[in-house]
Amino acid sequence: SYELTQPLSVSVALGQTARITCGGDNIGNKNVHWYQQKSGQAPVVIIYRDNNRPSGIPERFSGSNSGNTATLTIRRAQAGDEADYYCQVWGSSTEVFGGGTQLTVL
Amino acid sequence: QVTLKESGPALVKPTQTLTLTCTFSAFSLDTSEMRVSWIRQPPGEALEWLARIDWDNEKFYSTSLKTRLSISKDTSKNQVVLTMTNMDPVDTATYYCARMSPDSGSYFDYWGQGTLVTVSS
Repeated sequence: SYELTQPLSVSVALGQTARITCGGDNIGNKNVHWYQQKSGQAPVVIIYRDNNRPSGIPERFSGSNSGNTATLTIRRAQAGDEADYYCQVWGSSTEVFGGGTQLTVL
Repeated sequence: QVTLKESGPALVKPTQTLTLTCTFSAFSLDTSEMRVSWIRQPPGEALEWLARIDWDNEKFYSTSLKTRLSISKDTSKNQVVLTMTNMDPVDTATYYCARMSPDSGSYFDYWGQGTLVTVSS
């Protein structure tokens, strides 16, 4: 079955750029979606189909996808960006989530 | 406005069967390209996709759990039902239902609030 690998945690200084990776076999050939989950809340999609932002999601959030790695980039990180982030793809007849990355804003 | 809400027992005993209902509004599972999934999240752990049902009644299941899962829909009631057999304490989790965006791309655009299910004797 298809697997997605994310770092357990990423730290970023306030106002700097955070990058969260999502690794998978030839993931560049798949549509990758990213979700933000704040404590006690349901996940919210922040990037869909590699690099598209739903309405209401700040331009500070962007995505890219190539080869074996997809990347979520958060520019000008804010305290309110502290959350867990998950990538998701359609694998081999199943949906697949990455293991999640906890983002800490220092 | 699209909404989804999960309902079901908060506590089940080991070996029992869990039945969860997702009641949704502002869309129909009769409409082409509509899909609803169930996803769970054990306390402090990652999201885990469980099952999906599509507008045409096609069904997909997690490889590791497919022998225990069954998903169905009642379009007249705007509901999707998930059953999971032989519950175990490791199945303790918040269970979410979520709609997949009807445009191409298979992402979850709306989620329910989740319902916590505890498995304990």
